[in-house]
Amino acid sequence: DAKTTQPNSMESNEEEPVHLPCNHSTISGTDYIHWYRQLPSQGPEYVIHGLTSNVNNRMASLAIAEDRKSSTLILHRATLRDAAVYYCILRRGPGGTSYGKLTFGQGTILTVHP
Amino acid sequence: DAGVIQSPRHEVTEMGQEVTLRCKPISGHNSLFWYRQTMMRGLELLIYFNNNVPIDDSGMPEDRFSAKMPNASFSTLKIQPSEPRDSAVYFCASSPPGLAGVNEQFFGPGTRLTVL
Repeated sequence: DAKTTQPNSMESNEEEPVHLPCNHSTISGTDYIHWYRQLPSQGPEYVIHGLTSNVNNRMASLAIAEDRKSSTLILHRATLRDAAVYYCILRRGPGGTSYGKLTFGQGTILTVHP
Repeated sequence: DAGVIQSPRHEVTEMGQEVTLRCKPISGHNSLFWYRQTMMRGLELLIYFNNNVPIDDSGMPEDRFSAKMPNASFSTLKIQPSEPRDSAVYFCASSPPGLAGVNEQFFGPGTRLTVL
């Protein structure tokens, strides 16, 4: 499976935007870019995913580089509840041998200051 | 709607004992995943089922671990015999039908296992 690289940690202030980067230089054409987050003492939860185009949902935005070798998760206004570990994950699409598999890396620990 | 339900939430047992973790996926979901999380190794996929059939069990650490899914609404992960190094949080997740590379996984709250 293609690997992703994320900073170990990032900090933000409440109500400010947060840009969480992810590098995936070995991404293949059928890999989807997924983001999950894990709040303290909880299971991971889905945030957003994309293939080629930028994506928006109620939680966040995902900006994908034109060459798809990097992406950025954007939280438009961080709240204290957004403090979590954020995982950037590549998921092989249909036809791959690891079809659908989620492989978690170490993620980015986001700290949000009041 | 109830999410993924796991039981027990906490389990403390002694080395050598059998441990059974249980999972009820979200109704209508046809894929089920078992993960293990430790400080040292992070989140690891142990096994996943599609339509009650094990598709990939390459993450199961050894023969002491076994998983079953007798029907669409229930799965178990069994460790026999348990060892202290099995201490971890075990998560179950399910996902609905659709493109497997796209559809999201819904995680349960986890079972924290401590083997003394």
